[in-house]
Amino acid sequence: QVQLVESGGGLVKPGGSLRLSCAASGFTFSDYYMSWIRQAPGKGLEWVSYISSSGSTIYYADSVKGRFTISRDNAKNSLYLQMNSLRAEDTAVYYCAGGNSEVYWGQGTLVTVSS
Amino acid sequence: NFMLTQPHSVSESPGKTVTISCTRSSGSIASNYVQWYQQRPGSAPTTVIYEDNQRPSGVPDRFSGSIDSSSNSASLTISGLKTEDEADYYCQSYDSSIRGVFGGGTKLTVL
Repeated sequence: QVQLVESGGGLVKPGGSLRLSCAASGFTFSDYYMSWIRQAPGKGLEWVSYISSSGSTIYYADSVKGRFTISRDNAKNSLYLQMNSLRAEDTAVYYCAGGNSEVYWGQGTLVTVSS
Repeated sequence: NFMLTQPHSVSESPGKTVTISCTRSSGSIASNYVQWYQQRPGSAPTTVIYEDNQRPSGVPDRFSGSIDSSSNSASLTISGLKTEDEADYYCQSYDSSIRGVFGGGTKLTVL
């Protein structure tokens, strides 16, 4: 079955960097668009970034534009999120999600930005 | 850009039917598909409705989705409520640039 597994979260100081990964299995990864979505503690869901199945089309939320970079490696069935210049307000559980109609979700990885 | 507005909370008794609304602030609700996600406490979201009214395999047919152009809103209806349906529910759509937009979420209490 479809499985998405995030990794790479952790504690980082303000201004620091972190790279999240999402390993996909159980489906043809190169057929699916993918997104990163985050959820701050006790808050709702916030869309962060989108990448098309081929990687040719990318979009970012204004809150992360210029600081975060989404990418994918279809040969490795993997999605990435490079996060630079991290701020306290980036503290959240980060989910990868994707599909080509139905949306599948990972279990999330926690990113904490604190000094 | 537009916003999706959901009621903060709804409650209903087991066995009853509840409808959660999701109103789009500008632009047509029909211009981009609406998805609905269920998030139980301490768990990741899962999809209960995609493309306005499609139900993933494994989701009971007690869950249904619809859109109403007259009110510019989408709705998630859950019939025959069970205590296991107690969760937060989020609607989601896209703007013209494929940027995702989420509603603020609705806490469903089954009491």
